[in-house]
Amino acid sequence: RKEVEQDPGPFNVPEGATVAFNCTYSNSASQSFFWYRQDCRKEPKLLMSVYSSGNEDGRFTAQLNRASQYISLLIRDSKLSDSATYLCVASWGKLQFGAGTQVVVTP
Amino acid sequence: DTGVSQDPRHKITKRGQNVTFRCDPISEHNRLYWYRQTLGQGPEFLTYFQNEAQLEKSRLLSDRFSAERPKGSFSTLEIQRTEQGDSAMYLCASSVGGNYGYTFGSGTRLTVV
Repeated sequence: RKEVEQDPGPFNVPEGATVAFNCTYSNSASQSFFWYRQDCRKEPKLLMSVYSSGNEDGRFTAQLNRASQYISLLIRDSKLSDSATYLCVASWGKLQFGAGTQVVVTP
Repeated sequence: DTGVSQDPRHKITKRGQNVTFRCDPISEHNRLYWYRQTLGQGPEFLTYFQNEAQLEKSRLLSDRFSAERPKGSFSTLEIQRTEQGDSAMYLCASSVGGNYGYTFGSGTRLTVV
């Protein structure tokens, strides 16, 4: 079993719609959580940290559920430029990445 | 540019050859990480340094792989006797401490033919 698991998608989303997806992590000792965005053949870039209280950054909302060991990301009013792979990350001393969820926003 | 720099960007090598990659982290970051990523997978942890000390190595890091960070600044990752299975993107990242988001370099794409 992988330490961080994600639905690989793709999630095909019409422009302007909302999309949400989760990931689960296996290590209950994980201390920090993040979402990274990765464009094709590029390096991962930090999108946002994830806090227990939930947090927003513009059109992006992240939630952490420690009891159930899952993290979610919601994207509102999707833009074509949101098309990317979103990597879920849990950290226990070092970052452990999921395999990514592909999002494709269509016109 | 004050980001993480990796060199070279691309490397094509014949099976059995040795290759070395370099990473220059953000100067005030004391931690440096090496990850490997193959198509359709997330980055997989290889090893990390805190200053010049190599604190952890993954089981993925066979004895053909060695990493150094001699002065606690730049780091090198060497792969000896390359195999086709070593073909991947090798990513370097740096951070302040262990539970903060990392900044990644653009990666070195290795192709072993």
